[in-house]
Amino acid sequence: QQQVKQSPQSLIVQKGGISIINCAYENTAFDYFPWYQQFPGKGPALLIAIRPDVSEKKEGRFTISFNKSAKQFSLHIMDSQPGDSATYFCAALTYNQGGKLIFGQGTELSVKP
Amino acid sequence: NAGVTQTPKFQVLKTGQSMTLQCAQDMNHNSMYWYRQDPGMGLRLIYYSASEGTTDKGEVPNGYNVSRLNKREFSLRLESAAPSQTSVYFCASSRDRDGTAFFGQGTRLTVV
Repeated sequence: QQQVKQSPQSLIVQKGGISIINCAYENTAFDYFPWYQQFPGKGPALLIAIRPDVSEKKEGRFTISFNKSAKQFSLHIMDSQPGDSATYFCAALTYNQGGKLIFGQGTELSVKP
Repeated sequence: NAGVTQTPKFQVLKTGQSMTLQCAQDMNHNSMYWYRQDPGMGLRLIYYSASEGTTDKGEVPNGYNVSRLNKREFSLRLESAAPSQTSVYFCASSRDRDGTAFFGQGTRLTVV
């Protein structure tokens, strides 16, 4: 059973549009929520992360929105570019379990020119 | 500065064979992880190690064993490979349970 559920599985967006990827979790013991980006043939790399006591974090064109009561968080990519085409993973970390880092199912984003 | 190095990059095994995937990091990180990546399933945690000498089961540990040989190295062993273990395996490390994991390039394993 997936502890972090991610949707959609795939997403096609026009250049300049907004890409939105959603994640939901059940375990309230999660302490930290990072997002990772993966290009074909490469390992995932950290993109942006948020703590549960913060409702929003923005870094450039990337924004995480966090809703603690709903146990949901999302990644928004503004002004999406073809270079953003990649697979995106949300994740959740539990500090008191030795840093157990669990990932969602991934979203394959394609940004069309 | 190599980061996280995995060997081998590709491997084909016959059902029932055993093998060890090697992982080493040169960033002096405490935490290390092994994941498998399958289409539609995302990255699933197999085992992780919060520090040298400790290991814990992840989401899908059955059929695997691990060894945290020292602070740098964390190996994953398949004792009797099965076709269901065909996957891409990633090793990762993080400084101190902070969620900032650095990944290796992956090992593509095929079990026939």
